[in-house]
Amino acid sequence: ETGVTQSPTHLIKTRGQQVTLRCSSQSGHNTVSWYQQALGQGPQFIFQYYREEENGRGNFPPRFSGLQFPNYSSELNVNALELDDSALYLCASGRLATGTDTQYFGPGTRLTVL
Amino acid sequence: GESVGLHLPTLSVQEGDNSIINCAYSNSASDYFIWYKQESGKGPQFIIDIRSNMDKRQGQRVTVLLNKTVKHLSLQIAATQPGDSAVYFCAENNYGGSQGNLIFGKGTKLSVKP
Repeated sequence: ETGVTQSPTHLIKTRGQQVTLRCSSQSGHNTVSWYQQALGQGPQFIFQYYREEENGRGNFPPRFSGLQFPNYSSELNVNALELDDSALYLCASGRLATGTDTQYFGPGTRLTVL
Repeated sequence: GESVGLHLPTLSVQEGDNSIINCAYSNSASDYFIWYKQESGKGPQFIIDIRSNMDKRQGQRVTVLLNKTVKHLSLQIAATQPGDSAVYFCAENNYGGSQGNLIFGKGTKLSVKP
């Protein structure tokens, strides 16, 4: 098991609502990345945070936003939820320092949008 | 665009046999590769990684081979066990850029028959 934790485990929302997902990084890590994994697909990169600033973003609209806190925990916020946002949301932490960024994943939050 | 793909979506092997899971990548600038194992209902679990300056790396019962000439990556699992049944993803990263995101393929489902 990694030291990355996520909450909540499952979440059900309705279209148009807003949601906040939380992640606690593994001790000693300084990057937090968020991924969206649709059923039967590989994870898709949403964005990464390093030193509390966004350090790269995938092909996701601005209604997907995030925060990284001084203790390296992180939040993913999604506004104006759409049905297609239903997915497993994964948080991964790593150390961006030496040219490798082995990312360790948490168990994920299963979001269902009705 | 650049993508990571897999040759086979499913692989069924007999317990005790060796397994080989293949992956093709298209971004010649990628310099770091990771294999992940994902069991049902869990987040991806790190198995083994390799940098682009290496051709082979071994772990416990697993070996990753990298062929940069044909942009091919493989994961070999020795003496496959029922606990190895899962979906396996390869992921690539390009540290020449500012982003630390991982690009995942769609995955190969490994089923181990007792």
